Amino acid sequence: GAVVSQHPSWVICKSGTSVKIECRSLDFQATTMFWYRQFPKQSLMLMATSNEGSKATYEQGVEKDKFLINHASLTLSTLTVTSAHPEDSSFYICSARGSLSGANVLTFGAGSRLTVL
Amino acid sequence: AQSVTQPDIHITVSEGASLELRCNYSYGATPYLFWYVQSPGQGLQLLLKYFSGDTLVQGIKGFEAEFKRSQSSFNLRKPSVHWSDAAEYFCAVDFTGGGNKLTFGTGTQLKVEL
Repeated sequence: GAVVSQHPSWVICKSGTSVKIECRSLDFQATTMFWYRQFPKQSLMLMATSNEGSKATYEQGVEKDKFLINHASLTLSTLTVTSAHPEDSSFYICSARGSLSGANVLTFGAGSRLTVL
Repeated sequence: AQSVTQPDIHITVSEGASLELRCNYSYGATPYLFWYVQSPGQGLQLLLKYFSGDTLVQGIKGFEAEFKRSQSSFNLRKPSVHWSDAAEYFCAVDFTGGGNKLTFGTGTQLKVEL
């Protein structure tokens, strides 16, 4: 079945540095990828939608310059948290939609936990 | 605003007992409905989905869910819970119908007592 891999699973960084999280579709081409943020004991909040080869569409309230999303190929999307601060600490989850997963079904990665010191 | 409500934050059931997790959504039309399970260290796994047709849908791991239009609900059920079912369960709704945006409920943490 469709598999989405996220890397790294855990990352700790110092305040002010940038962190990149990768999301890969391993066995299918992901025309669309989505990035979510999940706070402890809370729901997943959609941050942005990215289509291969085009600029990401951000949800209201999400800072484009802080959360840089790139979807350069049909199997890879990256989320870069720039100038990270402790309030950016969270669980980031990506999902992908493609040929194997079905038009209306998303495949989710295992998530990446970011801790900013 | 469109929203998804899972009124139970935590539920504890004994192994072998039946389970029902509640989900309500706010909207007029019939959206696409999903239930996902999240286990530690693993991605969200799709249990089942409803797009149209028969309002009782069967999913993986013995789960089923029933769409009730009049109640705007999509409750998840399992007749006999196994200890391995302990996890976080999320109801999600695609109000756009285009597969682009999922609105998630806050989740229900299921604990199974042996």
